[in-house]
Amino acid sequence: AQRVTQPEKLLSVFKGAPVELKCNYSYSGSPELFWYVQYSRQRLQLLLRHISRESIKGFTADLNKGETSFHLKKPFAQEEDSAMYYCALRRSGYSTLTFGKGTMLLVSP
Amino acid sequence: DVKVTQSSRYLVKRTGEKVFLECVQDMDHENMFWYRQDPGLGLRLIYFSYDVKMKEKGDIPEGYSVSREKKERFSLILESASTNQTSMYLCASSGYRSSYEQYFGPGTRLTVT
Repeated sequence: AQRVTQPEKLLSVFKGAPVELKCNYSYSGSPELFWYVQYSRQRLQLLLRHISRESIKGFTADLNKGETSFHLKKPFAQEEDSAMYYCALRRSGYSTLTFGKGTMLLVSP
Repeated sequence: DVKVTQSSRYLVKRTGEKVFLECVQDMDHENMFWYRQDPGLGLRLIYFSYDVKMKEKGDIPEGYSVSREKKERFSLILESASTNQTSMYLCASSGYRSSYEQYFGPGTRLTVT
């Protein structure tokens, strides 16, 4: 069975510091990986997907199949980045997502 | 804009009551999902549906059932609510062609006393 692990429940950084939210997965096939974000009092929403290889709100994530990781990075954190971040995996041919337990990012001024 | 609405933001029910949570989406999406969101446990899939009248169990279906009589509406039913079902319930939908992106509702915080 597939699994998504986010080892940190809480990550606290100062504004301007680099951020890395860790995500590791286990899946025997070829997965699609995503980051979803939930800002305070807002809905959960897609932040980025590995296939698009985009930078969204300054965040990037690279799929490392050798290390089975999909860490989310931003070089300079902003206070508005404070949110709950979920890593998610989709198996090939399936519509469902498997989510990690989430990491709360707090960016202090 | 995709819109997923849930019937209630907050709900308080007593143990043993039958509870209905309703979700409606307006984007003609084929897939609909029900999750519960608990601190430290993340999102866990309860049930999903990929078509009208079709349903599939997710990871934690025990104590729940669902109904999808119309494409836009997906209901979650707690036949006999228990205190361990106190949680935030999230509904989501996705289209067949872009099923990787799920659109979420605002959530229903259910408290069972």
